[in-house]
Amino acid sequence: KQEVTQIPAALSVPEGENLVLNCSFTDSAIYNLQWFRQDPGKGLTSLLLIQSSQREQTSGRLNASLDKSSGRSTLYIAASQPGDSATYLCAVRLETSGSRLTFGEGTQLTVNP
Amino acid sequence: SAVISQKPSRDICQRGTSLTIQCQVDSQVTMMFWYRQQPGQSLTLIATANQGSEATYESGFVIDKFPISRPNLTFSTLTVSNMSPEDSSIYLCSVRSGTGDDEPQHFGDGTRLSIL
Repeated sequence: KQEVTQIPAALSVPEGENLVLNCSFTDSAIYNLQWFRQDPGKGLTSLLLIQSSQREQTSGRLNASLDKSSGRSTLYIAASQPGDSATYLCAVRLETSGSRLTFGEGTQLTVNP
Repeated sequence: SAVISQKPSRDICQRGTSLTIQCQVDSQVTMMFWYRQQPGQSLTLIATANQGSEATYESGFVIDKFPISRPNLTFSTLTVSNMSPEDSSIYLCSVRSGTGDDEPQHFGDGTRLSIL
């Protein structure tokens, strides 16, 4: 059974700092991995999708990396802003699970002005 | 990316009643999914809504409790039946955009459900 773990569970940083969020998964036979953000009381916003054959994806200040063999992904946020405050979730799609995404429990990020 | 609208956005319901949640997408999509997010927890897939056929349920979820309709390629409903306080959760509709199998999944804003 695929398990997805996110560390840390919560993170508080001053504005302007660069930071890294971690995601690990137990079954490396993934199809792809997706990073989302969730604002309080809201649904999920897709940030980045990395296919199993890719090593990284970038969008603006965000960079996600994938090391499939070691079962790890990181989300790097450059020059953090208070508007980045949210819960960040990673989700993996296994090769054998059809379209089901297995989610981690998220990292709650607070960026202080 | 697809724009997903869910109704209602929130509701407070009495124990033993049922509630139907609607999901409308602004474009035709092949794959529609229903997820549950229990308080303080992450998301769990309930079922995949298939157009023109029965929904496919994940382990631990059954059709009698969570009947799903998918009448066309832009709309689906999820009913939470005979509700108990344990059903208090956020229910989210999700779609996979585009036609490729490697497209990202997108989510609506969810329906926040509280059962008294």
